[in-house]
Amino acid sequence: EVQLVESGGNLVQPGGSLRLSCSASGFTFSSYPIHWVRQAPGRGLEFVSAISSNGDSTYYADSVKGRFTISRDNSKNTLYLQMSGLRAEDTAVYFCVREFGHYEYWGQGTLVTVSS
Amino acid sequence: DIVMTQSPDSLTVSLGERATINCKSSQSVLYSSNNKNYLAWYQQKPGQPPKLLIYWASTRESGVPDRFSGSGSGTDFTLTISSLQAEDVAVYYCQQYYNTPRTFGQGTKVEVK
Repeated sequence: EVQLVESGGNLVQPGGSLRLSCSASGFTFSSYPIHWVRQAPGRGLEFVSAISSNGDSTYYADSVKGRFTISRDNSKNTLYLQMSGLRAEDTAVYFCVREFGHYEYWGQGTLVTVSS
Repeated sequence: DIVMTQSPDSLTVSLGERATINCKSSQSVLYSSNNKNYLAWYQQKPGQPPKLLIYWASTRESGVPDRFSGSGSGTDFTLTISSLQAEDVAVYYCQQYYNTPRTFGQGTKVEVK
């Protein structure tokens, strides 16, 4: 069974940093691109970042470019999102998603709250 | 970025009746080399992550009831629930995966009358 489990969400002050993790199981992690998608409270879905299967290629939404860094450790079946310079508008549930063009499998999400 | 626009924003339908959600993209998501539309539909219930319903605009994901169907091509797409069930109450999103960044419609909330 494919599983994606996010962790690392927390309450953080504006300007602060946080690292999210996504632990994968049930499939060959190193064969798939993985994306981060977020959802602000009561709002819609927003693409955040993507990384290729081998980690060589990354992509960021304009709203997080220069502040967030996506990475992966295929030996540990784990995806990361390093977030810095956090703003109130980054408050959201962050989902990791296995991508096959469309989004096949989603984690349950981890909540990031940016507030003083 | 490709802008995805759904209509309506919300929909109230009686049990057993048809629900229709429209999705329009700001540019074509039909890839001419393979004649596939890079368009997916997701269902999200409260407190849950989205669930894939339809991909390639009309291919139903395994396990999805056949009352859900997708249609359309190019820039105009439709998700139809042929006979609404109580468990179909949710927010539905369309998404293009023609290019990155992947973009979503704003969502359509489906409720029971």
